[in-house]
Amino acid sequence: QVQLVESGGGVVQPGGSLRLSCAASGFTFNDYGIHWVRQAPGKGLEWVAFIFYDGSNEYYADSVKGRFIISRDNSKNTLYLQMNSLRPDDTGVYYCAKDWGERAIIFDYWGQGSLVTVSS
Amino acid sequence: EIVLTQSPDFQSVTPKEKVIITCRASQSIDNGLHWYQQKPDQSPKLLIKYASQSISGVPSRFSGSGSGTDFTLTINSLEVEDAATYYCHQSYNPPWTFGQGTKVEI
Repeated sequence: QVQLVESGGGVVQPGGSLRLSCAASGFTFNDYGIHWVRQAPGKGLEWVAFIFYDGSNEYYADSVKGRFIISRDNSKNTLYLQMNSLRPDDTGVYYCAKDWGERAIIFDYWGQGSLVTVSS
Repeated sequence: EIVLTQSPDFQSVTPKEKVIITCRASQSIDNGLHWYQQKPDQSPKLLIKYASQSISGVPSRFSGSGSGTDFTLTINSLEVEDAATYYCHQSYNPPWTFGQGTKVEI
């Protein structure tokens, strides 16, 4: 069965950096695009970033462009999100979500989420 | 950016009732509209893709319809376990966006 397990969340000061990881199993990782989606406390869902199945292309929400970098290591079945210049409004649960296809932009499986708190 | 507006924001219902949630897009998105269910303290779950296509394992009481700018999610004969927040999401153009959510309380 498909499993996505995020790790790397925690508390960080404004301006700091954090790297999230998402370990995938139960499917052929290098056949599918993968996303990061976040949810601020008590708020709705916000798409953050997407990477193609082969890592050849990336997309970012305007709110994180230039600060966050999505990447993947297909040899390790792992997705990453490098988050720099963190701000308090980046606080929330970060989910990795598998795409239904190479680039369908449909989130068919989700991890349990990793909490990021940006606070001094 | 394509804005998705859901209505209502909140709905209090009783078991076996029929629930209809609407999602309106700020421009035409063809059938690039998908629905998710998020129960408290859980990750979201895909319910419907491409406006009306069912997902394996999702109960048949969940159905979707619409195209262009207006879409609906219908829950027939609501069950207690359906208490959740429901989100629509568009895959038509980046940045890919979600509606604000509709909380269904039993």
